Amino acid sequence: NAGVTQTPKFQVLKTGQSMTLQCAQDMNHNSMYWYRQDPGMGLRLIYYSASEGTTDKGEVPNGYNVSRLNKREFSLRLESAAPSQTSVYFCASNIPGGVETQYFGPGTRLLVL
Amino acid sequence: SQQGEEDPQALSIQEGENATMNCSYKTSINNLQWYRQNSGRGLVHLILIRSNEREKHSGRLRVTLDTSKKSSSLLITASRAADTASYFCATPRGAGNMLTFGGGTRLMVKP
Repeated sequence: NAGVTQTPKFQVLKTGQSMTLQCAQDMNHNSMYWYRQDPGMGLRLIYYSASEGTTDKGEVPNGYNVSRLNKREFSLRLESAAPSQTSVYFCASNIPGGVETQYFGPGTRLLVL
Repeated sequence: SQQGEEDPQALSIQEGENATMNCSYKTSINNLQWYRQNSGRGLVHLILIRSNEREKHSGRLRVTLDTSKKSSSLLITASRAADTASYFCATPRGAGNMLTFGGGTRLMVKP
């Protein structure tokens, strides 16, 4: 099992450019999440998908959109990147109900110039 | 706002010493989790303690939970250089399976 995978690992964008961050999990988890982590800080939830076909906003959704393509894949899109979106983005997944332990991908480092 | 707040923000110790990190939270919870993040990597789950538990052990890790004080502590005994990482507490959020993470404690273990 690869667990949770993310692509790309690193990306540089210019202000106003768009891009999609990809996330996939092979653990048959129903729930998936996107977080951002700024230097020296904890994780903040951007969007989540409790199950295939549903998505909901987290703490900091502005400037982002998501797509739950199927049970395995959950993508995060920046339509018009801004320097404030420079961060490390983590995808996570877990099994719904009971225990909320989350499994994380390795992260995507995004630099917006 | 963050549900969990870790203390201290940074901790530097010598190999072999014990490291204690604390987490405070604001609302009632049914469990609390601790995660580790090595530099440049994703978070890895360490241990979960339920609200009806007061203490839990896993290898060199000992976690306590005091629901009356809304606080938890993570103790790493006989620390190793490989324990150098950031440690985060996380509490359940909302009706789903979401978590709220604290700001983390950066632990450095010097060889």
